[in-house]
Amino acid sequence: GAGVSQTPSNKVTEKGKYVELRCDPISGHTALYWYRQSLGQGPEFLIYFQGTGAADDSGLPNDRFFAVRPEGSVSTLKIQRTERGDSAVYLCASSLLGTGFSGANVLTFGAGSRLTVL
Amino acid sequence: AQKITQTQPGMFVQEKEAVTLDCTYDTSDPSYGLFWYKQPSSGEMIFLIYQGSYDQQNATEGRYSLNFQKARKSANLVISASQLGDSAMYFCAVKYNFNKFYFGSGTKLNVKP
Repeated sequence: GAGVSQTPSNKVTEKGKYVELRCDPISGHTALYWYRQSLGQGPEFLIYFQGTGAADDSGLPNDRFFAVRPEGSVSTLKIQRTERGDSAVYLCASSLLGTGFSGANVLTFGAGSRLTVL
Repeated sequence: AQKITQTQPGMFVQEKEAVTLDCTYDTSDPSYGLFWYKQPSSGEMIFLIYQGSYDQQNATEGRYSLNFQKARKSANLVISASQLGDSAMYFCAVKYNFNKFYFGSGTKLNVKP
C-alpha cells in the first residue's frame, strides 16, 4: 500500500482481555518495528522484524506481549491478559532496509492504534 | 538500551525566527544514523532529516538542518524561519548497530505569532 496501515485505530478493552493490533507495512519494506508511546513521551521500542523473523524482541515488557510477521509483510502485536498500564498508542513503522546506515533506514510510521484498558 | 537525551521538554520561538532543538546520544560505535521526526497534535510521525555518522557535511532539508558534532555526540536540529505550522513535538532518533532504533523523549515546540 501507499503508507503503513494500522488497525484498529482505537481499541477499548477490559482488564484481563486479549487484544490483537495489526500493521500492514509499505509493500517491499523488509524491516518492521513496533513501538509503544505513552502521553507526552517518546516512542518506546518493543520489537523489530527483518523479514519474517523477530530479529530483536528485547523491548517487549513481559511475556504477555508477543508479535508475529508470518509472511514477511503484515504483522500482528498480541497482548494477553491486558492491564491498565498497557494503555498507550502502539505505533508500527517500516523501512526499506533494516541493515546499514542510510536514508533507506528512514522509518515510515502508521497512524497508530490507541489502546485503552479499563 | 542506548540513551538519547533531549534536554528541552518545551520551547517557545517567535514566528520567522530560527530555533535549535538539542539532542545528545550515547554510543561507542563508530557507525550510526541520526534522524529527526516531527509529531503534530494529530499524532502522525513525520520524518524530517537524516544524517549518517560518516557524512562529512551537515544534512539540510529545506528549512531544516542538522548540526552534527560527532565528538560531542550531539545532533541538534535547526529550524530556520519558524512557521506556526512548526508547532509540534520533535523527536531525535538514533539507529545503532544490529538495527536498534531508539527515540528521545521529545521537545515540544510552540511557535508564537
